[in-house]
Amino acid sequence: QVQLQESGPGLVKPSETLSLTCSVSGASVSNKYWSWIRQAPGKGLEWIGHIRDLGSTTYNPSLKSRATISADTSKNQFSLKLRSVTGADTAVYYCARQWARYNNYFDSWGQGTLVTVSS
Amino acid sequence: QSVLTQPPSVSGAPGQRVTISCTGSSSNIGALYDVHWYQQLPGTAPKLLIFDTNNRPSGVPDRFSGSKSGTSASLAITGLQAEDEADYYCQSYDTSLTGSDVVFGGGTKLTVL
Repeated sequence: QVQLQESGPGLVKPSETLSLTCSVSGASVSNKYWSWIRQAPGKGLEWIGHIRDLGSTTYNPSLKSRATISADTSKNQFSLKLRSVTGADTAVYYCARQWARYNNYFDSWGQGTLVTVSS
Repeated sequence: QSVLTQPPSVSGAPGQRVTISCTGSSSNIGALYDVHWYQQLPGTAPKLLIFDTNNRPSGVPDRFSGSKSGTSASLAITGLQAEDEADYYCQSYDTSLTGSDVVFGGGTKLTVL
């Protein structure tokens, strides 16, 4: 059974960098795709980006190149950095396993972590 | 504005059948990419409900089914139960060069009357 757990600060100041880590058990981050998805309060789901088995990444263009996803295979973790945050980045952030590029469903999710952007 | 369009809300009485639509375009559903559905209970993470248009993960009751035609897809729930009250999201792959690979619908809130 694949399990994911997000960790990181729950409060980030405007213009600073949001940093989150997802710890994975029951699967290797060296296989499949691993994504970050967020959900603003009372809103729908927004895909941020993914990292795949060879370390290549793809991002949602709406984030205007502010996001960086990386992986640490020795710790079986992957991470998200989101630069220059504003209040619009306040959301619950989920990490999830994405099955493939085209059959891109998310079959395992973390519980989510709320990140608030405020001074 | 979501790339995939869902009705904001649907409702039904216990035991009834409800459907939730998901309308896309020629760059996603119409391009023959599969549609996936998630159920999000209040305060919890989304859960995969249907994958590859009409497949259920292990443990999902057969009351839930998916279908697709043209640029639209549908989720059907039969024998509605109180525990089905949740938000439902559709999702697919999109080929638009200026947009995201992964696109979601805006979500539909199901109320069990």
